[in-house]
Amino acid sequence: AQTVTQSQPEMSVQEAETVTLSCTYDTSESDYYLFWYKQPPSRQMILVIRQEAYKQQNATENRFSVNFQKAAKSFSLKISDSQLGDAAMYFCAYRSPSGQGGSEKLVFGKGTKLTVNP
Amino acid sequence: NAGVMQNPRHLVRRRGQEARLRCSPMKGHSHVYWYRQLPEEGLKFMVYLQKENIIDESGMPKERFSAEFPKEGPSILRIQQVVRGDSAAYFCASSPEQYTDTQYFGPGTRLTVL
Repeated sequence: AQTVTQSQPEMSVQEAETVTLSCTYDTSESDYYLFWYKQPPSRQMILVIRQEAYKQQNATENRFSVNFQKAAKSFSLKISDSQLGDAAMYFCAYRSPSGQGGSEKLVFGKGTKLTVNP
Repeated sequence: NAGVMQNPRHLVRRRGQEARLRCSPMKGHSHVYWYRQLPEEGLKFMVYLQKENIIDESGMPKERFSAEFPKEGPSILRIQQVVRGDSAAYFCASSPEQYTDTQYFGPGTRLTVL
């Protein structure tokens, strides 16, 4: 079974600076999807960024980018120019590919609480 | 395009009562997933449904929990004879027919069992 580990329960960053959140995972599959979700105090789960394992290029979405190291099974999230609205819980998630007998479920890490200091 | 809708947002039940949680997927989405989030934890998968079919219920407790996604209407997660340990946030997610790799989440239902 796949597992996802987020080793940083809490992180903090100064407004306008850059922070990196760590995520590692364990799998025997060669193709899969990885995601970062944000959960602000409202509790809504918001998709931040996704990465397909077969793509070597790291995904980017505005101020958010990932460092995907497939051999190391590492998937870190970098937030540039941090804003107060970035304060939230961040969850890393793994998903097997569709239609290949793999489960459609997302496997989540325990999360990292990000605080942004003004 | 409205997002995933869940209701109620907050539900309070006494031990032994039934809890019924509803989820309406995004328009055009036919895949629904239910997850549970205990305090200070990540989300845990419970069940995956398509219209009128349960595809994967490997995360569902064997007793008291059931889920359905009828041809018409919302998906329902039903918890019978609730206990205090059922207190949690329950999230529903949906994905479209052809692109099932990304799941979009609803706002969740927070269940409190007294």
